[in-house]
Amino acid sequence: NAGVTQTPKFQVLKTGQSMTLQCAQDMNHEYMSWYRQDPGMGLRLIHYSVGAGITDQGEVPNGYNVSRSTTEDFPLRLLSAAPSQTSVYFCASSPRQGSNIQYFGAGTRLSVL
Amino acid sequence: AQTVTQSQPEMSVQEAETVTLSCTYDTSESDYYLFWYKQPPSRQMILVIRQEAYKQQNATENRFSVNFQKAAKSFSLKISDSQLGDAAMYFCAYRDFLINAGGTSYGKLTFGQGTILTVHP
Repeated sequence: NAGVTQTPKFQVLKTGQSMTLQCAQDMNHEYMSWYRQDPGMGLRLIHYSVGAGITDQGEVPNGYNVSRSTTEDFPLRLLSAAPSQTSVYFCASSPRQGSNIQYFGAGTRLSVL
Repeated sequence: AQTVTQSQPEMSVQEAETVTLSCTYDTSESDYYLFWYKQPPSRQMILVIRQEAYKQQNATENRFSVNFQKAAKSFSLKISDSQLGDAAMYFCAYRDFLINAGGTSYGKLTFGQGTILTVHP
């Protein structure tokens, strides 16, 4: 009963490095999203996807890239990490039909030095 | 744009007592969803309760209930018989109820800032 799986759980980067946060879901959900959580600001939407091959920007997309080649996977790429991207990142998935309740992964804590 | 405001950064309650967490939101839509999520120290986001705006009846899930005031755009969470395991950060969230030609469409979740709940034994 895996649900939404995020890897890694923790990561430390140096400014300018690139990396990919992985997200996979086994519930056959059409919708997937990436959020970042910062103190005092709740969760903010970075990018989302409504199906394989379709992605769109959320509230805070700058510095991040996504693609969706399969229904299961939705990786988030940091192209050139900056200290402002230090945050906790959550991936979520939801079914297309019904109330679209979003199911979250366990999060990735990222520090950029 | 929709906004969600949680005006209580921190709340505390004695075990077995009742506590209410406040949430207000701003929208021009008439149909939408509202959610409360719980985030314990493990960081996992757990859905606590959901309310559809077109339903007049307040949602209830065991010890958790909401007071939904649509005209006032208020959506508070009441936790009865508080337990130590209820200690967590609680987020209120809003989602538009969108319909497209395919039957439904993606609705962005907008979160409040969160309320840290402490439960004292």
